[in-house]
Amino acid sequence: KNEVEQSPQNLTAQEGEFITINCSYSVGISALHWLQQHPGGGIVSLFMLSSGKKKHGRLIATINIQEKHSSLHITASHPRDSAVYICAAYSGGGADGLTFGKGTHLIIQP
Amino acid sequence: GAVVSQHPSRVICKSGTSVKIECRSLDFQATTMFWYRQFPKQSLMLMATSNEGSKATYEQGVEKDKFLINHASLTLSTLTVTSAHPEDSSFYICSARDLRAAMYFGPGTRLTVL
Repeated sequence: KNEVEQSPQNLTAQEGEFITINCSYSVGISALHWLQQHPGGGIVSLFMLSSGKKKHGRLIATINIQEKHSSLHITASHPRDSAVYICAAYSGGGADGLTFGKGTHLIIQP
Repeated sequence: GAVVSQHPSRVICKSGTSVKIECRSLDFQATTMFWYRQFPKQSLMLMATSNEGSKATYEQGVEKDKFLINHASLTLSTLTVTSAHPEDSSFYICSARDLRAAMYFGPGTRLTVL
């Protein structure tokens, strides 16, 4: 059974700061998702990656398969980035093959 | 990129009524869709797997007569919460897997049962 750990659980930062959220997992995976959940609940799929690095705007996701670790970075953070960020590891076990992290609650203060 | 939509985004209903939530894959075919439930400050919990043209597979502890799932086409799955009660109030999220096994998540539906 895959175990997915996210850190930190909560993060408060000032606008403009560089943000890093970490996700580690215990079992080898074939893909990892990063999701953003806004205070109202709506979920946005940010990235799905299986190796290397992906970038979209101010967001960057990296994954190190050997170390079983992924990071989500936010550059020039903004209050609108305030949300819960969830990683989900796809390893094929279970019906959907996904194990979700508990999420990182990010608050960016102006 | 691939998009999954859900409708409605929010619904408020009276206790005892049934509510239908739609999940659509907008630009790809999804042979398999998944329904999740999320309680406040909790992670997503898989409720059931919706397979096109066949019966849904429910996770342990999920009442199949309470949460009816229909996957009538390769782009649409519906979740009907029958005889909803306040304890069914939650955030319901669907995801869809494309033919390459890539997974895409819907934005979610907030259900409030009064």
